[in-house]
Amino acid sequence: DAKTTQPPSMDCAEGRAANLPCNHSTISGNEYVYWYRQIHSQGPQYIIHGLKNNETNEMASLIITEDRKSSTLILPHATLRDTAVYYCIVRVAGPSADGLTFGKGTHLIIQP
Amino acid sequence: KAGVTQTPRYLIKTRGQQVTLSCSPISGHRSVSWYQQTPGQGLQFLFEYFSETQRNKGNFPGRFSGRQFSNSRSEMNVSTLELGDSALYLCASSPNTYEQYFGPGTRLTVT
Repeated sequence: DAKTTQPPSMDCAEGRAANLPCNHSTISGNEYVYWYRQIHSQGPQYIIHGLKNNETNEMASLIITEDRKSSTLILPHATLRDTAVYYCIVRVAGPSADGLTFGKGTHLIIQP
Repeated sequence: KAGVTQTPRYLIKTRGQQVTLSCSPISGHRSVSWYQQTPGQGLQFLFEYFSETQRNKGNFPGRFSGRQFSNSRSEMNVSTLELGDSALYLCASSPNTYEQYFGPGTRLTVT
């Protein structure tokens, strides 16, 4: 029973902003939105997380809608090295019995 | 700050053997989690350790075990290896209750 829905793949031109959507219509009030990515054959990489406010760090921005039912990860100036599978996860903060669970994610391909 | 390190990076074992994988978390991180990743099953949670205690465990058979040392370094052991244990084994450390930082993984091949 997937908690998030993401498009399976997206393309973006190098140097442009990559906007990756995620639907999480059944999110609970105490669940955060996390984004990770995995470049082929490497370990997953944490990107950003948020509860209800928009967040920005050196890697990306996270925009969460007011009703919290969807969010968008923004990579402001995509490079070829941003080609990866991006995973949107909703979960409560803290340890949980099942750790992190990744869905199928979005395969983002940055085109030169 | 150095990232999460895992050793060895690649390993080939034979069915029935056992294997021990090692993980050194980021300095100051006390929580270490282990995951198995395969193309068919995706990322699956094995267990999590905090301050030398197993805090959570996934749905894996008893052949999979782990431990954490006082310096937060962790090891996982798989006994009586099966072909289906071939996977990328990932270790992740966490400074708090939010994000997890993953190592590069150990690629285990069982023949």
